[in-house]
Amino acid sequence: NAGVMQNPRHLVRRRGQEARLRCSPMKGHSHVYWYRQLPEEGLKFMVYLQKENIIDESGMPKERFSAEFPKEGPSILRIQQVVRGDSAAYFCASSPEVERRYEQYFGPGTRLTVT
Amino acid sequence: AQSVTQLDSQVPVFEEAPVELRCNYSSSVSVYLFWYVQYPNQGLQLLLKYLSGSTLVKGINGFEAEFNKSQTSFHLRKPSVHISDTAEYFCAVSGAAGGTSYGKLTFGQGTILTVHP
Repeated sequence: NAGVMQNPRHLVRRRGQEARLRCSPMKGHSHVYWYRQLPEEGLKFMVYLQKENIIDESGMPKERFSAEFPKEGPSILRIQQVVRGDSAAYFCASSPEVERRYEQYFGPGTRLTVT
Repeated sequence: AQSVTQLDSQVPVFEEAPVELRCNYSSSVSVYLFWYVQYPNQGLQLLLKYLSGSTLVKGINGFEAEFNKSQTSFHLRKPSVHISDTAEYFCAVSGAAGGTSYGKLTFGQGTILTVHP
């Protein structure tokens, strides 16, 4: 049973480019969460999605960041016009049914470097 | 709103010695509590969780933690550490079921445990 998969594992972008991070949840999980880990900091919640719905995006920066979880395919976190401050590790987690949302399984993360 | 404070950013210890990693939390609602471990360049792995019931919870790899509601603490302990326990440890809190913060994990800043031979 494959765990949460994220790709790419490492991503380098120049300032102003777009970054697209992908997350495939565990089989049978329909809830996805994105967290960001800045250097020397813990993980910060960004967004919670179910299939085709954004449930809670209270942790997302107001501009340049967007997330989706389509009916088919992985969840995508998109960062437009990246800046150096976006350099971080981005982790995706998934959970089973809504009654067990606290039970989150994390992927290996995507480490974004903006040059 | 919830917050988590991990009181030690780094904890060095010798192999086979006991260790305690401290975590305090703040919340106006009932909470669930978690400890995760992160090895270099890897994702987070759940060590243990407290949802309700017995305040002493046992997790994987010989770790345990005790929930103390009056002191709002959830300290992680292991009686005898191994070199392989060297990693970063994160304490996290989520609102309990039924609340608006249910399922939204708030993490502490992490404690780097280094086990020396």
